[in-house]
Amino acid sequence: DAGITQSPRYKITETGRQVTLMCHQTWSHSYMFWYRQDLGHGLRLIYYSAAADITDKGEVPDGYVVSRSKTENFPLTLESATRSQTSVYFCASSEFLRGEQYFGPGTRLTVT
Amino acid sequence: QQQVKQSPQSLIVQKGGISIINCAYENTAFDYFPWYQQFPGKGPALLIAIRPDVSEKKEGRFTISFNKSAKQFSLHIMDSQPGDSATYFCAAGHILTGGGNKLTFGTGTQLKVEL
Repeated sequence: DAGITQSPRYKITETGRQVTLMCHQTWSHSYMFWYRQDLGHGLRLIYYSAAADITDKGEVPDGYVVSRSKTENFPLTLESATRSQTSVYFCASSEFLRGEQYFGPGTRLTVT
Repeated sequence: QQQVKQSPQSLIVQKGGISIINCAYENTAFDYFPWYQQFPGKGPALLIAIRPDVSEKKEGRFTISFNKSAKQFSLHIMDSQPGDSATYFCAAGHILTGGGNKLTFGTGTQLKVEL
């Protein structure tokens, strides 16, 4: 199906473990974004990417790593998960020179 | 540092009434102001957006009012319906080098429209 997908949709992991959240879009959008959503904070930008192999930090990048070897994929890795990283994570994509960001369904991550 | 302040945190409106959500921003470099709607268990979706060269934009029952000098903008939902019950996020963005927008979101408003 066309669109933007995220996997897994739910994940429970332990403190200190590495976990990777996947994001895939079929529109060939240039820009991709990772946000975390927490009550009282809204959506906060973690990292974004303007194209394959081009990434930049957002508002809250500490503890996260991203890569983008292909236009359609933008994985987010928590190298050593902490309880403060318990959140709902959203991936989004945006067409070149367009403002609208299209969001995926989200991944609910719980770090125990 | 919260660059986009949104209020109220929650809002209850009677069916047919007007829902009003307000946002204020600090960074004068922002040049794109979208509103996103989010239903439980779903990702946010763009509802309506405005650029600072106009003071108002209307799409159906949804209107953005923009006050550049006050650095404020608001969403008005006319004839509110139970199906409008959702969380609404304002955002402010600026153009990234080469295109695209980097958005800063407000904290969200949970709207409930009662029968």
